This record gives sequence, C-alpha cells and structure tokens, in this order.
Amino acid sequence: SQQGEEDPQALSIQEGENATMNCSYKTSINNLQWYRQNSGRGLVHLILIRSNEREKHSGRLRVTLDTSKKSSSLLITASRAADTASYFCATDAVTQGGSEKLVFGKGTKLTVNP
Amino acid sequence: DTAVSQTPKYLVTQMGNDKSIKCEQNLGHDTMYWYKQDSKKFLKIMFSYNNKELIINETVPNRFSPKSPDKAHLNLHINSLELGDSAVYFCASSLRGGFYEQYFGPGTRLTVT
Repeated sequence: SQQGEEDPQALSIQEGENATMNCSYKTSINNLQWYRQNSGRGLVHLILIRSNEREKHSGRLRVTLDTSKKSSSLLITASRAADTASYFCATDAVTQGGSEKLVFGKGTKLTVNP
Repeated sequence: DTAVSQTPKYLVTQMGNDKSIKCEQNLGHDTMYWYKQDSKKFLKIMFSYNNKELIINETVPNRFSPKSPDKAHLNLHINSLELGDSAVYFCASSLRGGFYEQYFGPGTRLTVT
C-alpha cells in the first residue's frame, strides 16, 4: 500500500542550524501532511500541502512538494532545542472498502543540541 | 481545554485479560480514529468512525472491538490480550473523513505481560 518514507531516519544538528527532512511516496496523492511527535506525546499536525501546490510556509517551517518525483521536504529554519521530536509525513490513500485514510511514514527523529 | 483526551494513559495487564481504552473529543468533529504505534514508531490505522458509523476496519483481529456511543466518543475494547498487543494506542479526530488534518490524543501505552 502507498506509504510515505522519511529520510533520514535520524538527524542530529546544533541549535540555530536548519534541518531538512524528506518524504518519498509511491502513488498519486491529493495532499500530503507533516506531523510532529514529541517524546511520549500524540502527533501534532504541522502543515498540509495539496497536490497542486509546490511550496508552503508556516512560521519557521517550509514544505515543498514535487509530484513528478513523488517527494516532499520539510525544512525547519533556525532550529531550537524545542524542535527535538520525530517528524512524520502522511499521505492519503483509499482502503479496500473505498474509504479515505492517512498513511504515515516511519518518521525522522530530529535532535537539536543546545 | 483538551481537544482529544484518552484514558488511561498507561495500562499494564496480563495476557488473557480484557481491557478498554476511552477517547473523547470536544472539537465537534464528525470522524474519529484509533491508531496503533509499535515500538519502532510505526503508526497504523486500526479503525475509523464517522458520525458513529464504522467506515474503516483495517484487518484488525476481532479481539479488538471499537464502540462509538456518540460522535464525540470512541472507545476501544480488547479481549484476550496478547503480548503482541503491547503498543501505544492513539485516538484521533478530524472535521470529516477523508484527508483532513487529524488531531491526536496523548496516547495510551499498553503493556501486556
């Protein structure tokens, strides 16, 4: 089944640096979403980008989408220790019964060192 | 105010027991979900309800039975617990079904011994 695959699996940077995470998927999508998960917490929605959009910004976050390459990237600029978390991309898919669902990748674990 | 809440946060139990997890959302959303996150952080959908109607059942063993008494509540009952059921279970909700952004609860860490 269709699934986003994040790359790298883990990323460690210094505070103030930029962090880039990538997501690749297999089949056509309507939209792609990015979520953050702090340790021991639930996922928090960050940004949704539709298939007809190429770039979207939200604060220090920038998401790009290249449907020809079936890939998306999440850039966090001027990272802070509080950005330490796992980041997941989620793509839309359809179940065998015809219902719509999100399929999550395995995540990128980002560590921002003070 | 907590948007999506789950109880309990931790659940430790023995194999063979039956347990329930409760979820409530106060966002006025129509659709609710149960996800299972394994030890490798892989998150997989289990069930989805839209206005109390089951719309997604992702080949989950029938030991797992969701129940939605109203659209703000979605509970998960698990019979005859097995070691492999140990995971973190997340409830989530969205405005409607489909590809809307989802709001997640804090999770219930289930440990089966």
